[in-house]
Amino acid sequence: DAGVIQSPRHEVTEMGQEVTLRCKPISGHDYLFWYRQTMMRGLELLIYFNNNVPIDDSGMPEDRFSAKMPNASFSTLKIQPSEPRDSAVYFCASSRGGHQPQHFGDGTRLSIL
Amino acid sequence: GNSVTQMEGPVTLSEEAFLTINCTYTATGYPSLFWYVQYPGEGLQLLLKATKADDKGSNKGFEATYRKETTSFHLEKGSVQVSDSAVYFCALSVLGYKLSFGAGTTVTVRA
Repeated sequence: DAGVIQSPRHEVTEMGQEVTLRCKPISGHDYLFWYRQTMMRGLELLIYFNNNVPIDDSGMPEDRFSAKMPNASFSTLKIQPSEPRDSAVYFCASSRGGHQPQHFGDGTRLSIL
Repeated sequence: GNSVTQMEGPVTLSEEAFLTINCTYTATGYPSLFWYVQYPGEGLQLLLKATKADDKGSNKGFEATYRKETTSFHLEKGSVQVSDSAVYFCALSVLGYKLSFGAGTTVTVRA
């Protein structure tokens, strides 16, 4: 089975630009999570979906951040406009059922100049 | 609220040494406890878990016991290898799907 697939692996862009991160969860998993990892704040849950519906977005830092899950096999996290403080590694994870272990992708390393 | 505190690193030790990483938690409710491992350039992988008091999770020679009386879930391995060099995260979940992570402990094992 393929794991959680994220793209791109690395993204470097200038501040003010729109950034779109993509995630393909493991087939059959009905929960999808977006995390952000920084040295200062560690791992933070941004938002999670159940059956493509956003359940809790309380971790989304600002209105500049938005996430969608148009179908069971695809999700996006968008930042518009991007700022240097958004630089981090963004992880997507999925699980089968809310109480099962989460499987993480390899992350997208985002650098905003 | 829910939070996890784990020992600060970095931890550097020699091959075949004994490893302990301390983890304590506070939680509203009855949490499940996890250890995740992150190798360089990769995402987190579940290492082991325990869902109730006195449970022992184990995997790849690592062990951790859920201690409700001390609110702890310390990770141990009796003989580490160079390949165990990674960042280790303790985490808890009360509602079953929202994980709260510790800050992570970087472990480096020297040959």
